[in-house]
Amino acid sequence: KAGVTQTPRYLIKTRGQQVTLSCSPISGHRSVSWYQQTPGQGLQFLFEYFSETQRNKGNFPGRFSGRQFSNSRSEMNVSTLELGDSALYLCASSEGNRISYNEQFFGPGTRLTVL
Amino acid sequence: AQSVTQLDSHVSVSEGTPVLLRCNYSSSYSPSLFWYVQHPNKGLQLLLKYTSAATLVKGINGFEAEFKKSETSFHLTKPSAHMSDAAEYFCVVRGLNYGGSQGNLIFGKGTKLSVKP
Repeated sequence: KAGVTQTPRYLIKTRGQQVTLSCSPISGHRSVSWYQQTPGQGLQFLFEYFSETQRNKGNFPGRFSGRQFSNSRSEMNVSTLELGDSALYLCASSEGNRISYNEQFFGPGTRLTVL
Repeated sequence: AQSVTQLDSHVSVSEGTPVLLRCNYSSSYSPSLFWYVQHPNKGLQLLLKYTSAATLVKGINGFEAEFKKSETSFHLTKPSAHMSDAAEYFCVVRGLNYGGSQGNLIFGKGTKLSVKP
């Protein structure tokens, strides 16, 4: 099976712009989670989608949003970009059922730079 | 609330010597624990996971971790380091949602492992 893919891999934006990142999960996986990785804050959970519904959400402002499509592909959007949004954004997919220890498979990430 | 603390931000070892990366957890219930590795400019890869079936967990690439409830620890070890082990390692606990369902992954700050020739 192909792994988790994320596009684009690199992105440069300026403050105030908005950006959309895309994630294609492993075939058959219904859950997609998004994480932000920065040197200062480390890896932080943004949100999780399962069957087109947001199932879980981290502590990020409303500028960060996401959605999931019927084919399980997911997008996240950040509006009104700030310098502090510069980060590696990681997407992870899993089968999504509520069995314990459900493994998450991570994509390579999208490196967002805000100037 | 669940959390993990990685006790060392950097660890340096010589090739062929043992590796020990330390992690303590805090959880009000029996935790789900994981170790992930991240090589430069790569995504995260699962090394191993604690399933409560056995306290000593074996993972990929010769890594293993021991769950010690009395010490609330889940340290990662490897008998002999290879140059290719140089990477950042994350200890992770799965959070718990309101109502008791499994939640998102909560990551430690990471430990950068350097391997000297």
